[in-house]
Amino acid sequence: EPEVTQTPSHQVTQMGQEVILRCVPISNHLYFYWYRQILGQKVEFLVSFYNNEISEKSEIFDDQFSVERPDGSNFTLKIRSTKLEDSAMYFCASSSGGGVRGYTFGSGTRLTVV
Amino acid sequence: LAKTTQPISMDSYEGQEVNITCSHNNIATNDYITWYQQFPSQGPRFIIQGYKTKVTNEVASLFIPADRKSSTLSLPRVSLSDTAVYYCLVGDKIGSSNTGKLIFGQGTTLQVKP
Repeated sequence: EPEVTQTPSHQVTQMGQEVILRCVPISNHLYFYWYRQILGQKVEFLVSFYNNEISEKSEIFDDQFSVERPDGSNFTLKIRSTKLEDSAMYFCASSSGGGVRGYTFGSGTRLTVV
Repeated sequence: LAKTTQPISMDSYEGQEVNITCSHNNIATNDYITWYQQFPSQGPRFIIQGYKTKVTNEVASLFIPADRKSSTLSLPRVSLSDTAVYYCLVGDKIGSSNTGKLIFGQGTTLQVKP
């Protein structure tokens, strides 16, 4: 079964540092997403990406965040200057666009900001 | 996506059938009902989707009454490995004008005991 792959699985960074979270979506999917989940809380939408541009972003996705699809396979989330409250699990997902069942999530990157 | 309400937590024992009910009073005509499962430290995973009546797959059954204002996810003979958070989502098929984001609630934390 095709998978969404995320690296690294766990990243520890100092406050104020830049981090890049990497994702390899399913190859024939067209829609790409980042979600985050703070420990003990619900999964929150961050941003959706389609046709090489952001199609929607949440209030959480401020100027410190950016996404990029630098080549035909990778999809990255960059946090420019991390804050303690950015500590969370970050999930990448991709979709074929065939409805809500067409989603596949990765296993996530646990980001710890110290 | 329509708002959903489901119990915050449920306990069960191995071998029992578990039924988790979700209320979605404002479901729209075009909305499908989709359930996701999330194990600790993993991304959500699609379980089942339905529109009306009953849907069954190798993992679960989904019962939807005629008014579609609620739905029940049924897990037959649960095992310890079914301990997870179960999310009910309601929304329409992703179209070209829809960014396809998923809105997760708190979900139902199912704890299966030996």
